Amino acid sequence: DAGVIQSPRHEVTEMGQEVTLRCKPISGHNSLFWYRQTMMRGLELLIYFNNNVPIDDSGMPEDRFSAKMPNASFSTLKIQPSEPRDSAVYFCASGSGPNYGYTFGSGTRLTVV
Amino acid sequence: AQSVTQLGSHVSVSEGALVLLRCNYSSSVPPYLFWYVQYPNQGLQLLLKYTSAATLVKGINGFEAEFKKSETSFHLTKPSAHMSDAAEYFCAVSEGRDDKIIFGKGTRLHILP
Repeated sequence: DAGVIQSPRHEVTEMGQEVTLRCKPISGHNSLFWYRQTMMRGLELLIYFNNNVPIDDSGMPEDRFSAKMPNASFSTLKIQPSEPRDSAVYFCASGSGPNYGYTFGSGTRLTVV
Repeated sequence: AQSVTQLGSHVSVSEGALVLLRCNYSSSVPPYLFWYVQYPNQGLQLLLKYTSAATLVKGINGFEAEFKKSETSFHLTKPSAHMSDAAEYFCAVSEGRDDKIIFGKGTRLHILP
């Protein structure tokens, strides 16, 4: 089991550019989560999917953020246009229900300059 | 809505001493509770979870936590700290009605030689 795979590990981009973060969940997991981690705000849940359907996107900070899950093995988080305050570590996690816990990827460190 | 409060953003203990990291939760239904650990530049790793079975839960690396409903607490302990325990620890709660897991702000554990 390769775990939850996120790419890229690091991303540096200029303000105004589009950024796409990618996640491959563990095979068989039916829930997928996107979190953002910053020193100031800690771990924030942005959005989560169940069986590829977005269930709760109330944590998505602005319309500049969007997420998709076109199939059970792939999800993207897109920021367009990016701003310096979007700089953070973005984590993807997957699981099969809260009684099992969730497995996190290694994260994508995004820096917007 | 569920929430988690971790008391102390930084905790320092001497090597060999007891580790105690405090977590209080709020939930309208019997919760699922979790502790995760994050080492530098890594994702979150599940330490242990409470899912309404035994109230004393044992996890990896010698950690354990006790669910106390009357105190709405789920404190994490380890009898003897090792240098390798230095990391950030997150308490999390899920109400189980959906898949959402909400994290506390984390406690950074420092181990003094």
